[in-house]
Amino acid sequence: DSGVTQTPKHLITATGQRVTLRCSPRSGDLSVYWYQQSLDQGLQFLIQYYNGEERAKGNILERFSAQQFPDLHSELNLSSLELGDSALYFCASSLRAGQVGGYTFGSGTRLTVV
Amino acid sequence: GENVEQHPSTLSVQEGDSAVIKCTYSDSASNYFPWYKQELGKRPQLIIDIRSNVGEKKDQRIAVTLNKTAKHFSLHITETQPEDSAVYFCAATRGDSGYSTLTFGKGTMLLVSP
Repeated sequence: DSGVTQTPKHLITATGQRVTLRCSPRSGDLSVYWYQQSLDQGLQFLIQYYNGEERAKGNILERFSAQQFPDLHSELNLSSLELGDSALYFCASSLRAGQVGGYTFGSGTRLTVV
Repeated sequence: GENVEQHPSTLSVQEGDSAVIKCTYSDSASNYFPWYKQELGKRPQLIIDIRSNVGEKKDQRIAVTLNKTAKHFSLHITETQPEDSAVYFCAATRGDSGYSTLTFGKGTMLLVSP
């Protein structure tokens, strides 16, 4: 167990629908990152939050949004889903007191859009 | 922004052979270079990292080398075993804290045959 918790583990939904993926970072970590991993792609950075504020944005579609709550958990919202959004979505966290560099990944949410 | 190229995309070796995976990066300000291993269906896990003030780092059968001038770094696995079979990702970032976003290479699938 990495200490980063992602729910749900699997999600199957229809095109056009909206889903919410949840991530709880390791205790003490203030930064949360979301990545998308498709079948033939590497880890594509979507967005980063640090202590509740958006810190960096990657190739995140306008149909996707995220937020980090006061208790530091984060949610990634995916709307108007398309078949191409089917992927593994990873959350990672970092910045424990004294830690430098590196992420710890959660186990991911596998999203299947049918 | 940072761009990380990784080669080869697939690598097949016999058990006991060595494996080398190479990455180049574009941002000369990048100073932290981790390597992640991802087994099928699992989360990426940090296996080794190197900072720009170090040229080489070793941990048992794995080692990483960094050439700052050429902006490339490599992962070396000696005496490969079937359990080393996985996808390996290199990454790079500037900064020395969890604020910084990791940019990943596209991954190398390593297959170790018994």
